[in-house]
Amino acid sequence: AQSVAQPEDQVNVAEGNPLTVKCTYSVSGNPYLFWYVQYPNRGLQFLLKYITGDNLVKGSYGFEAEFNKSQTSFHLKKPSALVSDSALYFCAVRDITGSARQLTFGSGTQLTVLP
Amino acid sequence: ETGVTQSPTHLIKTRGQQVTLRCSSQSGHNTVSWYQQALGQGPQFIFQYYREEENGRGNFPPRFSGLQFPNYSSELNVNALELDDSALYLCASSAGQGRSSGANVLTFGAGSRLTVL
Repeated sequence: AQSVAQPEDQVNVAEGNPLTVKCTYSVSGNPYLFWYVQYPNRGLQFLLKYITGDNLVKGSYGFEAEFNKSQTSFHLKKPSALVSDSALYFCAVRDITGSARQLTFGSGTQLTVLP
Repeated sequence: ETGVTQSPTHLIKTRGQQVTLRCSSQSGHNTVSWYQQALGQGPQFIFQYYREEENGRGNFPPRFSGLQFPNYSSELNVNALELDDSALYLCASSAGQGRSSGANVLTFGAGSRLTVL
């Protein structure tokens, strides 16, 4: 079975400050990990993914995420937050070795960047 | 290239009715997945279609069914609607073979918001 936990329902950060949105995962084998963002009345937009290799993954709009196998974490980060980054963020996992077809999503973290 | 389009965007049904939601996949994508996103929750996998056949299913009852057509577009059908079926239904498409496409990125549509009264 595969699962994702996003321990924070809400994260508030001031514009210009660094932001972190936390994600931990559980899979039987090795993971493919993804971050998606959802704006109001929109579908999910892909930000970045970890497949293999470098633990620090860079994605769209200045976001990056760090894969930590020992802590089974894949936290999303950005050095300097923008008000326009305010949205709902989802972490997702798929087990490389499993037969599951689906991405399993976390419950989401609402990020609010305050001006 | 066009993205994933879904219709209708909003609809209201009453308990016991049936609903059909439609999805056109992104150009070049041959795999379609459907997800249910209840209010305040993350998307939950319903099923996936590849080459017009269902090749993966989540924990949803048989009254949730689907189709994929030769042009890779897809339908989600829900029979005997229940109040808990109220949700945003998301369609996502991806490229490559359904079985070994684990690293492929899903491209999502904006969703169909279903309200069951």
